[in-house]
Amino acid sequence: NAGVTQTPKFRVLKTGQSMTLLCAQDMNHEYMYWYRQDPGMGLRLIHYSVGEGTTAKGEVPDGYNVSRLKKQNFLLGLESAAPSQTSVYFCASSKSGRNTEAFFGQGTRLTVV
Amino acid sequence: AQSVAQPEDQVNVAEGNPLTVKCTYSVSGNPYLFWYVQYPNRGLQFLLKYITGDNLVKGSYGFEAEFNKSQTSFHLKKPSALVSDSALYFCAVSPLSSGSARQLTFGSGTQLTVLP
Repeated sequence: NAGVTQTPKFRVLKTGQSMTLLCAQDMNHEYMYWYRQDPGMGLRLIHYSVGEGTTAKGEVPDGYNVSRLKKQNFLLGLESAAPSQTSVYFCASSKSGRNTEAFFGQGTRLTVV
Repeated sequence: AQSVAQPEDQVNVAEGNPLTVKCTYSVSGNPYLFWYVQYPNRGLQFLLKYITGDNLVKGSYGFEAEFNKSQTSFHLKKPSALVSDSALYFCAVSPLSSGSARQLTFGSGTQLTVLP
């Protein structure tokens, strides 16, 4: 089972460039999430989606946009990358409702120079 | 606002010895608690969760966690550590009223190193 797949795994951007991170899940999960992981800070929620066509802001949404056009895909966009967005990005998905744990992708290491 | 504290950035233990990774939390109402593990260059993997019921929760790879409501703690334990347990461990909490991963708050992580 593929589970949650993120593309790409590594990327280096110049300040001001844009990019899109793709997340795909094959578990038919309703909920999907984008987190960033920074040293000593754990994971922080950027945006999330509770279903196809819906998105919502998390803890640290500024500088990011997301789209969920298909249930299995959740895209994270950076319109104008900044060095502060250098991080490891994780996508996750979960079933809807209570008592549901999240399943994570392998991460995308993004460096903005 | 909910929060999670993992007071130790690093825990070292000898192989075969018991291990404990500490976690305390703050949340409105009853908590929904998780432990995740992250191996190098990998995503987080679910280990175990506490919802209600027995205070001792058993999870994957021989790990267990003890919920203590009075101390607002959810410490991760294993009776006999393996070198392969070396990884980064995260505690997470969400309100039971929500029970959804969209309201999970993660701790800062504890690096566990098991020495041969």
